[in-house]
Amino acid sequence: GQQVMQIPQYQHVQEGEDFTTYCNSSTTLSNIQWYKQRPGGHPVFLIQLVKSGEVKKQKRLTFQFGEAKKNSSLHITATQTTDVGTYFCASKTSYDKVIFGPGTSLSVIP
Amino acid sequence: DVKVTQSSRYLVKRTGEKVFLECVQDMDHENMFWYRQDPGLGLRLIYFSYDVKMKEKGDIPEGYSVSREKKERFSLILESASTNQTSMYLCASNSRLVGGWYGYTFGSGTRLTVV
Repeated sequence: GQQVMQIPQYQHVQEGEDFTTYCNSSTTLSNIQWYKQRPGGHPVFLIQLVKSGEVKKQKRLTFQFGEAKKNSSLHITATQTTDVGTYFCASKTSYDKVIFGPGTSLSVIP
Repeated sequence: DVKVTQSSRYLVKRTGEKVFLECVQDMDHENMFWYRQDPGLGLRLIYFSYDVKMKEKGDIPEGYSVSREKKERFSLILESASTNQTSMYLCASNSRLVGGWYGYTFGSGTRLTVV
């Protein structure tokens, strides 16, 4: 079945450094969503990308959908301790059924 | 503030017990989902429902059943709890958009321990 992979699995950064996580699929994705889960919390929807090559920004977060719609990235500029958590990508495979990537866990060292 | 509410944050049950996990959403969403989340395994879909009295199996339905008698409520049932069902259970909902897909709203989760 369709799968989405994420790299890296873990990332430790010094506060103020940038961070990027990548989401990859062997098949073309119709769309991609990104979620953030704080430690002890639940996933929270961040954004959805639909168009090939689409780029969206939310303050220090930049989301990109690849031209071939097989990959996506989330880039955080100048990380802060509030960015700590696990970032998941997700894609819709069929009627309202969604596959989540395994997530990238971000630690920020103050 | 829109919400997905799960009835219990923590639950401890004995092996063999029948367990009910309740989820209620106040957003008039058509679609509701049950996931379990385990370290190293990510989020795995158990069951979902896109309408009242409708249900569809997800990726790991064995040992579980669901009930959706009202639009706002989606219940997950563990018929006979086993220790390998110890997990974090997350309920989610979203709205159906023709040709599109809204992001999920998740509940806070129920951490179930089966002893």
